[in-house]
Amino acid sequence: AQSVDQPDAHVTLSEGASLELRCSYSYSAAPYLFWYVQYPGQSLQFLLKYITGDTVVKGTKGFEAEFRKSNSSFNLKKSPAHWSDSAKYFCALEAGGSNAKLTFGKGTKLSVKS
Amino acid sequence: EAAVTQSPRSKVAVTGGKVTLSCHQTNNHDYMYWYRQDTGHGLRLIHYSYVADSTEKGDIPDGYKASRPSQENFSLILELASLSQTAVYFCASRQFSGNTLYFGEGSRLIVV
Repeated sequence: AQSVDQPDAHVTLSEGASLELRCSYSYSAAPYLFWYVQYPGQSLQFLLKYITGDTVVKGTKGFEAEFRKSNSSFNLKKSPAHWSDSAKYFCALEAGGSNAKLTFGKGTKLSVKS
Repeated sequence: EAAVTQSPRSKVAVTGGKVTLSCHQTNNHDYMYWYRQDTGHGLRLIHYSYVADSTEKGDIPDGYKASRPSQENFSLILELASLSQTAVYFCASRQFSGNTLYFGEGSRLIVV
């Protein structure tokens, strides 16, 4: 079985601060990991992914994430945060080499105060 | 830019009625997915498909059927709609495993 946990339902910070959104996963083999963002009233958009190789991956809008196999995490980071980053962020896992089942976490709602 | 279109975008259905949500993609993607989004649950996978004429059960398939008559089209069918199926439904597609998922705009379903 595969699962994704985003332990923080809400995160609030001030513009200019550093943001880190947490994501942990459960899967016995090598995972494919993704981050997607959903702006208010919109659908989801791709931010970045980790498939293999370099454990720090960079994505769109200045975001990056670090894959840590040791503690099964894939945290999303950005510095500095901007008010326009306010949105809901979803971490997702695909069992590598499987039939492409893609499981999402519950999401973290980020509010950046200007 | 990948295009995934859903219809209807919004619907009010009566309990016990039949509802069909349609999804169409124009990018020759092999994989298609149906998710529902609820407050407190995030996105949950209902059904998915990686080839025409074949569908797979996701994490919450009960009460839903799926149909993939062609590579471009993927439908979600609620034979007997229930109040608990009130949600926003997203269709998504991608080319193959490990690739970026492209989402439709969502279909808001209210069952009364």
